[in-house]
Amino acid sequence: QSALTQPVSVSGSPGQSITISCTGTSSDVGGYNYVSWYQQHPGKAPKLMIYDVTKRPSGVSNRFSGSKSGNTASLTISGLQAEDEADYYCTSYTNKISYVFGSGTKVTVL
Amino acid sequence: QLQLQESGPGLVKPSETLSLTCTVSGGSISSSSYYWGWIRQPPEKGLEWIGSINYSGSTYYNPSLKSRVTISVDTSKNQFSLKLRSVTAADTAVYHCARHVPIPAAYFDPWGQGTLVTVSS
Repeated sequence: QSALTQPVSVSGSPGQSITISCTGTSSDVGGYNYVSWYQQHPGKAPKLMIYDVTKRPSGVSNRFSGSKSGNTASLTISGLQAEDEADYYCTSYTNKISYVFGSGTKVTVL
Repeated sequence: QLQLQESGPGLVKPSETLSLTCTVSGGSISSSSYYWGWIRQPPEKGLEWIGSINYSGSTYYNPSLKSRVTISVDTSKNQFSLKLRSVTAADTAVYHCARHVPIPAAYFDPWGQGTLVTVSS
């Protein structure tokens, strides 16, 4: 199964909003409302930021939000802060009774 | 607070079997509400789900790795383990363990810190 497609990098200035896309197919992203997003700082374990497309775990800033349209899910970070600089990955359930991750996006705060 | 910790050899020879264990603390692996999974990350690359197991031993695997993977659980030790056979350099990666809710829900939380396994002679 091929990785979900994410932009290699996205950048923004402090205070701005950025959106990271995660494109799959009708067999994964488009077929189920089971998309999650992870933030990973260098050398650290991934941290769950969004699950079930739009839900935010307790303790995650409300500056992070998720959405989905067709075969593409998106993560929006509003009010960008220096601490948001990290790698971000999406994942989705697939019709092969498995999970597929995205290719990863490096977020840079200018 | 639930914590997961991976352990195992950091170096494996090509064609041999990679074996790792994940120890769960701060909670019981026998909870029927969760599955326990392995995810890997090759150097400078993205994440790849390997497979998952629940407390009763029910498993499901990444179709692309299924022929080489076995995941098992030891509830008495609050551990689950990964075996990956016939490894090559392409299996060099940081291997993470994580908890997740049952399929089809797709979120992993929390994660272990990860352990680097290098495949080399």
